Amino acid sequence: DGGITQSPKYLFRKEGQNVTLSCEQNLNHDAMYWYRQDPGQGLRLIYYSQIVNDFQKGDIAEGYSVSREKKESFPLTVTSAQKNPTAFYLCASSQGHSEAFFGQGTRLTVV
Amino acid sequence: AQKITQTQPGMFVQEKEAVTLDCTYDTSDQSYGLFWYKQPSSGEMIFLIYQGSYDEQNATEGRYSLNFQKARKSANLVISASQLGDSAMYFCAMREGLTSGTYKYIFGTGTRLKVLA
Repeated sequence: DGGITQSPKYLFRKEGQNVTLSCEQNLNHDAMYWYRQDPGQGLRLIYYSQIVNDFQKGDIAEGYSVSREKKESFPLTVTSAQKNPTAFYLCASSQGHSEAFFGQGTRLTVV
Repeated sequence: AQKITQTQPGMFVQEKEAVTLDCTYDTSDQSYGLFWYKQPSSGEMIFLIYQGSYDEQNATEGRYSLNFQKARKSANLVISASQLGDSAMYFCAMREGLTSGTYKYIFGTGTRLKVLA
C-alpha cells in the first residue's frame, strides 16, 4: 500500500543532542512537508520541498534542518539550537492539487 | 499574510445531531484550496473534504459538507448525524501558492469536538 512512513514513533533527546526524524513516502509525490504540533495547538510549518535538492523554510525553521536528496525521503534534523523541541512532528506529501497525505507522526521528548 | 482562523476551541454535540465547525481564511491568491482534516487522539491526520476556490457548488462527502462562502472568506464544516466516533480534533487548512507554483498548506488552531451519547 502507498503511504508515508515516519520513524521512530517515539524519540527521546538529551539536552544538546541533534536527532533526525525519518520520513519516507512511496506515493511518488513531488512535494513534502514537515509540521510541528504542540499540545492543543495547530500545525506549524517547519520546512517544505517541492522537488529533489530544493527546499524552503517555513514559519518556524530556526533550530531545524532538512535535506531532499531523493524524491521519496525528507529527513528532519532537530538541532541543539532548537531550545524547545518537545512536540509532535508530522510529515506530509502532496502532488499537484491533491490534499496533503500525512504520516503517523513522531513524538519527540527532551529528557 | 495568509491565515486560517478557527474561533471555536471546543464544541459539544448530541449524538445524531448536526454540528457546524467554523473556519475563516485570508489570502490574496485568486486560486486556492480549502481542506478539513480530522485528528483523533492517536494523532493521525485524516482528510475529510476539499473545496477549490473556483468550485461553485459546496463540496459534500458522505456526512460531511463544506459551507463555502467566498465573499465572506468562510469554509465551515458541517457534520450531519454525529456519531461517537466523530469525537476528535478538527483542522481547517488552506493550500496557497497555486499562482506561484510553490504550494504549501497552512492550518488553523483546530476545534475539539466531543459527541455526547
